[in-house]
Amino acid sequence: EIVLTQSPGTLSLSPGERATLSCRTSQSVSNTYLAWHQQKPGQAPRLLIYGASNRATGIPDRFSGSGSGTDFTLTISRLEPEDFAVYYCQLFVSSPPTYTFGQGTKLEIK
Amino acid sequence: EVQLVESGGGLVQPGGSLRLSCTASEFTFYRYWMSWVRQAPGKGLEWVANIKGDATVKYYSDSVKGRFTISRDNAKNSLFLQMDSLGAGDTGIYYCARDSGNYFNDFWGQGTLVSVSS
Repeated sequence: EIVLTQSPGTLSLSPGERATLSCRTSQSVSNTYLAWHQQKPGQAPRLLIYGASNRATGIPDRFSGSGSGTDFTLTISRLEPEDFAVYYCQLFVSSPPTYTFGQGTKLEIK
Repeated sequence: EVQLVESGGGLVQPGGSLRLSCTASEFTFYRYWMSWVRQAPGKGLEWVANIKGDATVKYYSDSVKGRFTISRDNAKNSLFLQMDSLGAGDTGIYYCARDSGNYFNDFWGQGTLVSVSS
């Protein structure tokens, strides 16, 4: 079983700052299988990044994803007020074809 | 725009059953795998089950295997989750989500709340 570990658990930053969120997998995985979702309070998750580095439709270019192997990163270049939310990484597990999520990183206003 | 609308949540006693529904629109439903994902109060996301477009293949998380059954009715663009032998650990918001076909969930419903309590 592959485990996803996100860090930090909580990140306190101010608008305009740069945010770097980490997702580590317990074994090496394909970039193709790694996605990031954003969830605001009281709302459903929203896809941000797929294939480790591809922005979903309508996602601003201040969001970027990178990484390979076991280490993946979501970067928000310059935080806007609406970016403060919880972020989850998601991994597709091919055999059997199922999903697993990291425990989430809460990005809060400092 | 893809729309997913869940329904069927509510309060149920431990050991009881509940059937969730998800109605899909604005995409060709039968072509897509679909998933159920849940979220306990104040906790993270947990994948629960998924089902192939033609309903011939289904998978479940270990935490619900043998108790939950995922199904679909492609004629009605609907996804279902039959939940039996419910316990307090099943309390949470249940989301249906579309599988993009490229190894991630790309659209989510707004969720339906399930509360298991006596």
